[in-house]
Amino acid sequence: DAGVIQSPRHEVTEMGQEVTLRCKPISGHNSLFWYRQTMMRGLELLIYFNNNVPIDDSGMPEDRFSAKMPNASFSTLKIQPSEPRDSAVYFCASRVGENTEAFFGQGTRLTVV
Amino acid sequence: TQLLEQSPQFLSIQEGENLTVYCNSSSVFSSLQWYRQEPGEGPVLLVTVVTGGEVKKLKRLTFQFGDARKDSSLHITAAQPGDTGLYLCAGGSNYKLTFGKGTLLTVNP
Repeated sequence: DAGVIQSPRHEVTEMGQEVTLRCKPISGHNSLFWYRQTMMRGLELLIYFNNNVPIDDSGMPEDRFSAKMPNASFSTLKIQPSEPRDSAVYFCASRVGENTEAFFGQGTRLTVV
Repeated sequence: TQLLEQSPQFLSIQEGENLTVYCNSSSVFSSLQWYRQEPGEGPVLLVTVVTGGEVKKLKRLTFQFGDARKDSSLHITAAQPGDTGLYLCAGGSNYKLTFGKGTLLTVNP
């Protein structure tokens, strides 16, 4: 298996533009997580899905952020409109079940100018 | 909100020294995991502990889960430059996985 695949690896966009980050989890994994990492705030949990259903989105900063998981092999995180303070590395992770290893993608480095 | 506090935030030591980093919370977790992250990469799992009081060893690394399942420690013996990285603890509960901010360890040759 190729592991968790995220795209794009880098994204530079202007303030106000829509940004869509993509994630393909490992096949057979039931849980999918979206995290945001910055120096100041560390690795923040934004939202997680279990069997494609969003379980907890309390970490999503505001209504500008939305996430979907239309099927077991694909998830998106959308920011609309983007702001400079959204600049961070966004990670997607998946795992088989509770207490098991979470496998991370290589992340998307987002820069909003 | 389940918060995990890690200390110290930064640690710079010489090769061969021993060190301990800590992960504390007011919440009880069903499991506690330690990950290591290198620049430009995602975190990679080192260990999972699930039983209060559990101790696990991985070569020169020793992990302990607190009796009340609220805290954990990571001890490294005879640190080497290859141990340099960001060490993150993560608490699991109800399928949720929450991370601390991490300890950035630098081991100087």
